[in-house]
Amino acid sequence: EPEVTQTPSHQVTQMGQEVILRCVPISNHLYFYWYRQILGQKVEFLVSFYNNEISEKSEIFDDQFSVERPDGSNFTLKIRSTKLEDSAMYFCASSAGGRGGQPQHFGDGTRLSIL
Amino acid sequence: SQQGEEDPQALSIQEGENATMNCSYKTSINNLQWYRQNSGRGLVHLILIRSNEREKHSGRLRVTLDTSKKSSSLLITASRAADTASYFCATRDNYGQNFVFGPGTRLSVLP
Repeated sequence: EPEVTQTPSHQVTQMGQEVILRCVPISNHLYFYWYRQILGQKVEFLVSFYNNEISEKSEIFDDQFSVERPDGSNFTLKIRSTKLEDSAMYFCASSAGGRGGQPQHFGDGTRLSIL
Repeated sequence: SQQGEEDPQALSIQEGENATMNCSYKTSINNLQWYRQNSGRGLVHLILIRSNEREKHSGRLRVTLDTSKKSSSLLITASRAADTASYFCATRDNYGQNFVFGPGTRLSVLP
């Protein structure tokens, strides 16, 4: 069964540094998402992406964050100047349809640790 | 803002017993989905129930939706140790595109 893959599985970065988290969504999916889960807390929506542009973003997704689909397969999340509070699991997801009408398929996440 | 809230926060049962988890939300929804998360892994979609449906089954899973009470329940019958995980409901309202996840129920199934 096709799956969403994320790399790296664990990223350790100094505060203030830039970090790029990578995702390969399921190949025939058109909608892409990033979520964040701080340890022991709920999954929080960051951003959704469709047709090469952001379709919705949350309050968490401020100017320090950006997303890109640089080619036909990758979907990246960049944090420009990381803060301690950015430490979390970051999950990428994709779906065949948008507007929440289809299941979202999640990767296993990247654990981001900011020192 | 709309939000799914699951209860209980944690549930511990013996293998073979049934597990029931509840989810409440605040606004009108288009659909509600349940996901499972094993420790250290991503979320896995279990079942989607639309606002015009009242009950849905998938294997040992049974989901109900009561839009008048803005609540849903997930029943896992004949639980197994492998069902040990956190379970989240996710709701999408009639206007937004994306889901809001609740804080989850941590289910422990003891062998």
